Amino acid sequence: SQTIHQWPATLVQPVGSPLSLECTVEGTSNPNLYWYRQAAGRGLQLLFYSVGIGQISSEVPQNLSASRPQDRQFILSSKKLLLSDSGFYLCASPTPALNTEAFFGQGTRLTVV
Amino acid sequence: GEDVEQSLFLSVREGDSSVINCTYTDSSSTYLYWYKQEPGAGLQLLTYIFSNMDMKQDQRLTVLLNKKDKHLSLRIADTQTGDSAIYFCAEGGSNDYKLSFGAGTTVTVRA
Repeated sequence: SQTIHQWPATLVQPVGSPLSLECTVEGTSNPNLYWYRQAAGRGLQLLFYSVGIGQISSEVPQNLSASRPQDRQFILSSKKLLLSDSGFYLCASPTPALNTEAFFGQGTRLTVV
Repeated sequence: GEDVEQSLFLSVREGDSSVINCTYTDSSSTYLYWYKQEPGAGLQLLTYIFSNMDMKQDQRLTVLLNKKDKHLSLRIADTQTGDSAIYFCAEGGSNDYKLSFGAGTTVTVRA
């Protein structure tokens, strides 16, 4: 069965420091992968999605970037974090069979101080 | 999140039914979902409904869809303390798999 691994679970970083969050998927090949952010009191906002290696689409302009170096690896990065980057980041992938269910990783709670 | 709206809070007594409401704007949505997020955890898919269905029942959960009004609801029968969580409504199309989420409804179950 498909499993999404996401780490770290929590992260506290100073303003201006770099960021790298990693997401890997097991149990499927060539998955569509997504990064969502959940800010306090708001819904999940789609940040990036990728349909294959090296293919990244950005949904909103922001301080973050994403990369897909391998088929089952999706990385969220920043060169210099801002306070407004704080939030709960979730990696997601639909199931390969039905493409109706999005499986989510456990999330990374990022606090920028 | 602007395309999917839901109320932010719901308080319900243990044993009563909970009803969480959601409205969406994209008439081309093919699937509508309910996710549950427990404190400090990721999202867990509770149930989903195809846009050509009016109702779906799964044990204590009942999903009602009014496609004309673009209104989705989730009813939890016999609400338990373990049902305390944030519930997200989401909609997605058939051409891609991007989901649009509401802000989430925090359900608090009181004794």
